[in-house]
Amino acid sequence: GENVEQHPSTLSVQEGDSAVIKCTYSDSASNYFPWYKQELGKGPQLIIDIRSNVGEKKDQRIAVTLNKTAKHFSLHITETQPEDSAVYFCAASKGQGAQKLVFGQGTRLTINP
Amino acid sequence: SAVISQKPSRDICQRGTSLTIQCQVDSQVTMMFWYRQQPGQSLTLIATANQGSEATYESGFVIDKFPISRPNLTFSTLTVSNMSPEDSSIYLCSASQNTQYFGPGTRLTVL
Repeated sequence: GENVEQHPSTLSVQEGDSAVIKCTYSDSASNYFPWYKQELGKGPQLIIDIRSNVGEKKDQRIAVTLNKTAKHFSLHITETQPEDSAVYFCAASKGQGAQKLVFGQGTRLTINP
Repeated sequence: SAVISQKPSRDICQRGTSLTIQCQVDSQVTMMFWYRQQPGQSLTLIATANQGSEATYESGFVIDKFPISRPNLTFSTLTVSNMSPEDSSIYLCSASQNTQYFGPGTRLTVL
């Protein structure tokens, strides 16, 4: 079955700097890759997703890149702000998002003022 | 995007008892899922809740321990049966058309 590896497990950056979180997946049939942000005491919130027919997607300060050949995808957050501090999860799925998700281990991102 | 609510938001239960968690979606969705998130860990899929038929369970999860119902396209329940302290976790439901959204979770503590 699918296996998703996420790195790093913790990341600390200065406010205003960029943060990058990387994930690799094992199943070449996976075609949907969402990223979730989870704040303390809350459920995961979808922040951006990418499908296998796209190499990059951007939404304001957040971007995701996908390399299907290498089977890895990354989350990029620019101009980080204190409210970006949270745990971030990557995930992979077949069936363009309508199927079950396999999650990475999570990255705890801390933005230092 | 779908808005998902769960009840209860949290509970403290005695070992050996059962708890039923409800998940309500504000629109009809094709797929609903139940995940478990142990303290400080990632999310693990328990099962896919199939409308009108038995749920599909992942390896390591069985129907006797986690019975699931899905009577229609907007509602599902997960029961955690014969609980032990090892069942203390956050239980999350999600709903998907082609994008998957999560509920706020149910924080369960078993004493």
